[in-house]
Amino acid sequence: EIVLTQSPATLSLSPGERATLSCRASQSVSSYLAWYQQKPGQAPRLLIYDASNRATGIPARFSGSGSGTDFTLTISSLEPEDFAVYYCQQRSNWPNTFGQGTKLEIK
Amino acid sequence: QVQLVQSGAEVKKPGSSVKVSCKASGGTFSSYTISWVRQAPGQGLEWMGRIIPILGIANYAQKFQGRVTITADKSTSTAYMELSSLRSEDTAVYYCARGENSSSWPDYWGQGTLVTVSS
Repeated sequence: EIVLTQSPATLSLSPGERATLSCRASQSVSSYLAWYQQKPGQAPRLLIYDASNRATGIPARFSGSGSGTDFTLTISSLEPEDFAVYYCQQRSNWPNTFGQGTKLEIK
Repeated sequence: QVQLVQSGAEVKKPGSSVKVSCKASGGTFSSYTISWVRQAPGQGLEWMGRIIPILGIANYAQKFQGRVTITADKSTSTAYMELSSLRSEDTAVYYCARGENSSSWPDYWGQGTLVTVSS
């Protein structure tokens, strides 16, 4: 099973700042990685798929990069609605594991 | 407009089974991939398995192998996830999510179904 390790566990930033979230895989997942946003009481929302493609309707301030084992989700300028938990997921191998999440909180 | 509507909350006894439904509308159900993901209270996301209705083939996480069955009824555009031999650790919100086809990521999610396992 591929283990995805996200860092940091918690990220405290202010609106307008840049956020950089990391996801590291225990073995190569090529570009088969996605990022999700989840707010309290809501289902996850697909942000980025195949490492760097924005899903439909996702603002341009969200971007993804990386391949192999190291991936990054960048939010260029934080809006108040961006404070949430972010998960990465791989589908290179079964099971399609998730990272443990990064909580992005308001500083 | 694609929608996934899940069945309501359940309270189950340890050792029993639960079956959660996920009804899709607004798209071509047969070509979807329907995944099931669960989230224990205050915890992260856990992938359980998926099905491609047009093929009728399901894949499961080994952790749940033998306890979980995912099926799909193309005539009603509904997917099901049945989990047996329930224990308290299975208390969680269970989500279904669809990918538009077999190579798509889950882009539409159900609202979630809370399953509580308690004696």
